[in-house]
Amino acid sequence: EPEVTQTPSHQVTQMGQEVILRCVPISNHLYFYWYRQILGQKVEFLVSFYNNEISEKSEIFDDQFSVERPDGSNFTLKIRSTKLEDSAMYFCASSRGDLSSGANVLTFGAGSRLTVL
Amino acid sequence: TQLLEQSPQFLSIQEGENLTVYCNSSSVFSSLQWYRQEPGEGPVLLVTVVTGGEVKKLKRLTFQFGDARKDSSLHITAAQPGDTGLYLCAGAPLLAAGNKLTFGGGTRVLVKP
Repeated sequence: EPEVTQTPSHQVTQMGQEVILRCVPISNHLYFYWYRQILGQKVEFLVSFYNNEISEKSEIFDDQFSVERPDGSNFTLKIRSTKLEDSAMYFCASSRGDLSSGANVLTFGAGSRLTVL
Repeated sequence: TQLLEQSPQFLSIQEGENLTVYCNSSSVFSSLQWYRQEPGEGPVLLVTVVTGGEVKKLKRLTFQFGDARKDSSLHITAAQPGDTGLYLCAGAPLLAAGNKLTFGGGTRVLVKP
């Protein structure tokens, strides 16, 4: 069964450092997403990406964050200058974006755990 | 912002008992999805409900979407230890340009043998 893959599975970084989290979405999917989950809290939407541009972003997704699809397979989340509060599990997801099944169904990756010291 | 509230937050039952998890909102959703999340992993889709009043069954799990598409429930019959996990509901807002999902806070279920 097709899956979304994420790397790294765990990254530890110092406050102020740049971090890039990588994702390989399912190949025939058109919409890509980043969500985050701070330990013990809700899964929160960060950003959605379609047709090589951001289609929607949340208040969390400020100027420190950026997304890119550098080639035909990877989708990356960059945090320019990490803060302690950026420590969380970051999930990538992708979807076909069509409503043939009645709903837009997202497939999530296993996540990248980011620890900022 | 459309919010989804799940209740209870935590549920501990004995094997063989039934349980129900609720997902409520004051907003209407175009669809609602239920996920299960294991520790250290991403959410895995269980079911999607789209039509108001819709009921879907997945073995011992029964999912219902409220008539007004503002709420949903997950009922597990004769729970087994393998049902232990974090259950998440997630709704697709009616007007979401980016197809995003809004998640509830989750219900952690523990089924004791």
